[in-house]
This record gives sequence, structure tokens and C-alpha cells, in this order.
Amino acid sequence: EIVLTQSPATLSLSPGERATLSCRASQSVSSYLAWYQQKPGQAPRLLIYDASNKAPGVPDRFSGSGSGTDFTLTISSLEPEDFAVYYCQQRHKWPPLTFGGGTKVEIK
Amino acid sequence: QVQLVESGGGVVHPGRSLRLSCAASGFPFNSYPMHWVRQAPGKGPEWVAFISYDGRFKKYADSVQGRFTISRDNSKNTVGLQMNTLEPEDTAVYFCAKAYGDYFQDWGQGTLVTVSS
Repeated sequence: EIVLTQSPATLSLSPGERATLSCRASQSVSSYLAWYQQKPGQAPRLLIYDASNKAPGVPDRFSGSGSGTDFTLTISSLEPEDFAVYYCQQRHKWPPLTFGGGTKVEIK
Repeated sequence: QVQLVESGGGVVHPGRSLRLSCAASGFPFNSYPMHWVRQAPGKGPEWVAFISYDGRFKKYADSVQGRFTISRDNSKNTVGLQMNTLEPEDTAVYFCAKAYGDYFQDWGQGTLVTVSS
């Protein structure tokens, strides 16, 4: 099973600041990694797929990069609605499809 | 627009069974694989089961293999999850999700399953 480790667990930032979230895989997942955003009481929302492709309707301030075992989700300038929990997920080798433990982006 | 509506959750004793259902609309259901994903309280999502667009292929997480069965009815645009021999560790919100290349493109609102004596 491919284990995804996200860091940091919590990121405390102010609106307008840049957020950099990390996801590290226990073995290569090529570019088969996605990022999701989840707000309280809601289902996760697909933001990025295949490491760097934005899902429809995702704002330009979100970008993804990386390949192999190291991936990054960047939010260039945080908007109030971006404070949420973010998860990465791999589809390179499954079953199982696996998620990371999440990074909470909170208001400083 | 895509709509996925789960139902069937509730409180159940350990060892008992429950069947979840997900009604889909707004897309050609019989062309898309579907998944069930669950999320325990305060935890991250956990993939549970997959079914191919035609129902021929199914995959399960080890934690539910042999206890849960995924199914679909393309004539009714529904996907189901039969959960047997439930354990307290199965307590979670269960989401159905429309697949996009083995990612989860669209999600329902979820249905809560609580396994407790």
C-alpha cells in the first residue's frame, strides 16, 4: 500500500499570504496524484488531478506540482474561503486508493 | 448538473447489516465507474469500494473485503453498498463518488453510519 504523508499538519496564515502544502509518497506514484479541499460538514472537492491539472472551476490561485514521491499544492494568495483541510490522494497503484492525513489551513 | 444522493445510513449494533444506496443524476451514469469513500469522525477520507461502469469489475479495501459488497443498477441510476458484519470501526460518513480516472470528481453529501451497542 502506498502511504501518503502530508506536512505540515496545520498551517496558520493570514489572508493574502501564500500557502505551500506538501505531500510525500512512500514510493513513486509518477504524476498520479490529486488534491482535494474539504470544508466542515461538506464532502471533499477535487482541486488538482495528475499532479498539476486544475479541475473545472478551480481558481487560478491554486496550483500543483511535483512527480515521483514529492508533491506540492500552492495557493498563491489566500482568500477567506480557502481556509479548509486539504488532502492528497494517489491512483498510481491500487487497490487501495489512498489519501494523505491532511493539512489544515487555518486563519492566523 | 451532477447530483449524487446517498441514503440508508443509521445506527446499527455490531455484527448487524446495513445497505446504503446512492441515486445519481445529471450525467450518463452507465458510462462512469463509481466509488464509495468513507470518513470517520475527525479523520481523513478512506476509499472503500469501486465498481466499473458496467458492474463487471469490483475492488475493495482490505478492511471491508468479504464483508461489504458494491453493486449498481444502470436502469435505475443507483449504486449500492451492502455492509454485513458491521464493526465499530466502520462508523463513518459514507460518500458515493463519481470516478474521474480513479480520482473522485463529484461527491454526494454523505450518509452517517454509526455502529454501536
